[in-house]
Amino acid sequence: EAQVTQNPRYLITVTGKKLTVTCSQNMNHEYMSWYRQDPGLGLRQIYYSMNVEVTDKGDVPEGYKVSRKEKRNFPLILESPSPNQTSLYFCASSLQRTDTQYFGPGTRLTVL
Amino acid sequence: SQQGEEDPQALSIQEGENATMNCSYKTSINNLQWYRQNSGRGLVHLILIRSNEREKHSGRLRVTLDTSKKSSSLLITASRAADTASYFCATFTGGGNKLTFGTGTQLKVEL
Repeated sequence: EAQVTQNPRYLITVTGKKLTVTCSQNMNHEYMSWYRQDPGLGLRQIYYSMNVEVTDKGDVPEGYKVSRKEKRNFPLILESPSPNQTSLYFCASSLQRTDTQYFGPGTRLTVL
Repeated sequence: SQQGEEDPQALSIQEGENATMNCSYKTSINNLQWYRQNSGRGLVHLILIRSNEREKHSGRLRVTLDTSKKSSSLLITASRAADTASYFCATFTGGGNKLTFGTGTQLKVEL
């Protein structure tokens, strides 16, 4: 089944403890991206990747890192999480950058 | 303000009625996409309309695009309770590499 998977789905952590949220797609898509969703602010793009080893900042990249070593995987790294990063995170992929986006199920992160 | 802004922010209708939501954007676009999100879950793609298209249909959905007014509308006909969700429009900005979403329209369809 064609899909985007994210792990973990739920995470509660403490300030400053490094964490990684994984994202994987099995559709051989070139474009992948991360979003955060906050009440009243909609979805905001954190980082995107046009292809392997090609990543760029979205609208809210501060406090996040990404890597794209393989086409299928696009992990989101929070090196020192802070409470303002408490949010619902979505990974998405598409065949080409302007094509239909396929979203993962989301990761709900709480930073205490 | 955001590249894509939906209007209204919230809409409540009775089952069987039509629902119309609008999206305005600021810069030129390659295409405009509509997505649906059920409470707290992942977004599901509904329709993609290209800048050279004016109208597109998919089942009970009809999307129009007016590039001169930089606006789009999504019409859901004969709504059902299962259509209750948030609806977002999205466009590519920043040279076409960044996908920007509006803040969405919350649709509630009551029995």
